[in-house]
Amino acid sequence: DAMVIQNPRYQVTQFGKPVTLSCSQTLNHNVMYWYQQKSSQAPKLLFHYYDKDFNNEADTPDNFQSRRPNTSFCFLDIRSPGLGDAAMYLCATSGLEETQYFGPGTRLLVL
Amino acid sequence: GQQLNQSPQSMFIQEGEDVSMNCTSSSIFNTWLWYKQDPGEGPVLLIALYKAGELTSNGRLTAQFGITRKDSFLNISASIPSDVGIYFCAGRNTDKLIFGTGTRLQVFP
Repeated sequence: DAMVIQNPRYQVTQFGKPVTLSCSQTLNHNVMYWYQQKSSQAPKLLFHYYDKDFNNEADTPDNFQSRRPNTSFCFLDIRSPGLGDAAMYLCATSGLEETQYFGPGTRLLVL
Repeated sequence: GQQLNQSPQSMFIQEGEDVSMNCTSSSIFNTWLWYKQDPGEGPVLLIALYKAGELTSNGRLTAQFGITRKDSFLNISASIPSDVGIYFCAGRNTDKLIFGTGTRLQVFP
């Protein structure tokens, strides 16, 4: 059974058109993460939520925002996507100081 | 950002061969994780290591946490075509992971 679910799996957007990616989990984990991954590089952490507490990485562009309305769901909003934002976006969850489990990812294409 | 040194960068092997890859860090980690990522998918956890010197197996996979907590290796025995993918090590101290640079494994029949 899927534990970390990401929708959609593929997303096409236009340059500058806002886009939202979603993640849900059935694990009841406290912590949820958003990563950006480009062409066979390691995932790069954008931000994470510890329950409702939002923790932004210092080098995450302002163009990227996130919302976590409840324990199960977390959203990644890209306000004005640029060509350089085309990537795989990975959601992950973990319990407190526990192993991270990743979703299948959403591949974003910016035209 | 900080990354772990993972080697080799890529490997091309024949089906049935054994594989070894390793990860080193200048920092100590409490937990060491090994993930496999198939093309177009998210990383899947293979093995988690929690104690210095710990040796853990998962089927044909074996991983060890270095005594100094600064390194780890992953071995795959008798490789098969579905072992193809990118293998990432990751160290964890807090709620964040520090990833290795990845090892791309290609298995030829």
